[in-house]
Amino acid sequence: RKEVEQDPGPFNVPEGATVAFNCTYSNSASQSFFWYRQDCRKEPKLLMSVYSSGNEDGRFTAQLNRASQYISLLIRDSKLSDSATYLCVVSWGADDKIIFGKGTRLHILP
Amino acid sequence: DAMVIQNPRYQVTQFGKPVTLSCSQTLNHNVMYWYQQKSSQAPKLLFHYYDKDFNNEADTPDNFQSRRPNTSFCFLDIRSPGLGDAAMYLCATSSGKRAGAFTDTQYFGPGTRLTVL
Repeated sequence: RKEVEQDPGPFNVPEGATVAFNCTYSNSASQSFFWYRQDCRKEPKLLMSVYSSGNEDGRFTAQLNRASQYISLLIRDSKLSDSATYLCVVSWGADDKIIFGKGTRLHILP
Repeated sequence: DAMVIQNPRYQVTQFGKPVTLSCSQTLNHNVMYWYQQKSSQAPKLLFHYYDKDFNNEADTPDNFQSRRPNTSFCFLDIRSPGLGDAAMYLCATSSGKRAGAFTDTQYFGPGTRLTVL
């Protein structure tokens, strides 16, 4: 099982729709989780950290399911500007390890 | 204002000709990272500095070296670039104030796109 796995997509979603994607991780000792957004040929930028209690920032909601070892990202009322690649990032401190997923490509269609 | 700056943004080098990529930060962060990202792939961590402590990833080739002369600057040296080293090289920083180097938000520079002829 890969350390961090994401569905590469692309997800083609009409503007205004809700879209969700997951990221699974293999190391049960993982302690920090993030979603980063990366636009084409640009650097990754933090979208949100993922906490045990889940967190919400406007149209974006992130959840952590430790039992099943995955995190999720939900985007409501999607905008054209949400089109990007969404990278899942997992880290654990025991041996200072950080792993990026390959990303999920999202295309919002007008 | 740019917080993590990378120079140059585009670098062309010849096969086997040493090249140095530069990163600077205005955030006064303790941790600086170098990643390699190839097309449609995840960023791959090459190494990181926690203050002056250098941490090399086990699978980073010896061809890649790094220097951090002070808090603000970090360099990536590729001693003998091969065609397979063509990629985007991303520098990132994090505060390092929380336990463990990787538990904080990372701030990325715009990257240097390296072409090897």
